[in-house]
Amino acid sequence: SQQGEEDPQALSIQEGENATMNCSYKTSINNLQWYRQNSGRGLVHLILIRSNEREKHSGRLRVTLDTSKKSSSLLITASRAADTASYFCLNQGGKLIFGQGTELSVKP
Amino acid sequence: DTAVSQTPKYLVTQMGNDKSIKCEQNLGHDTMYWYKQDSKKFLKIMFSYNNKELIINETVPNRFSPKSPDKAHLNLHINSLELGDSAVYFCASSQDRLRETQYFGPGTRLLVL
Repeated sequence: SQQGEEDPQALSIQEGENATMNCSYKTSINNLQWYRQNSGRGLVHLILIRSNEREKHSGRLRVTLDTSKKSSSLLITASRAADTASYFCLNQGGKLIFGQGTELSVKP
Repeated sequence: DTAVSQTPKYLVTQMGNDKSIKCEQNLGHDTMYWYKQDSKKFLKIMFSYNNKELIINETVPNRFSPKSPDKAHLNLHINSLELGDSAVYFCASSQDRLRETQYFGPGTRLLVL
């Protein structure tokens, strides 16, 4: 399967803690994106990192990309209960391939 | 103002029926997509259109047929529905076929009985 892999599949933390999610992919990429999905909703774009970039920041989000290891990580700092959601990476290379997602639960 | 809208939000139907899901985007984007999310939350691309032209057609049964009457609309018609078609179907759009940021609709929850 070309489905990307994300780990952990589930992550439970306390408010204020940092959350790190990882995404590995199998095919080449043009860019890699991270999306959030709240329960019962559509996906919302968070951040995009291009294949020639190594790190990117947006507010409390930090994304890294290691093309040699074919992996990316999403760090959410100072998490809030509202960050509770599923997080997906999208590999935009020759094909559009989503990772299997990480379910993040942030407890108040 | 909803950027990407889908109708209906919920669809419950019997096996063997034919149904359609409609998608509209008011963002002026050129490219639209259909994704299927299964019960394990796996998301898979099904189709993509760019300016009414089919550019992505993944391994999807022939019972699924997308139609794009104009670049703001991408509908999905499903013939002879099967139990395995039960899923959430998401429409999305992006500015162009370089597939930058995608904007997703709220999803259509299809249940085939």
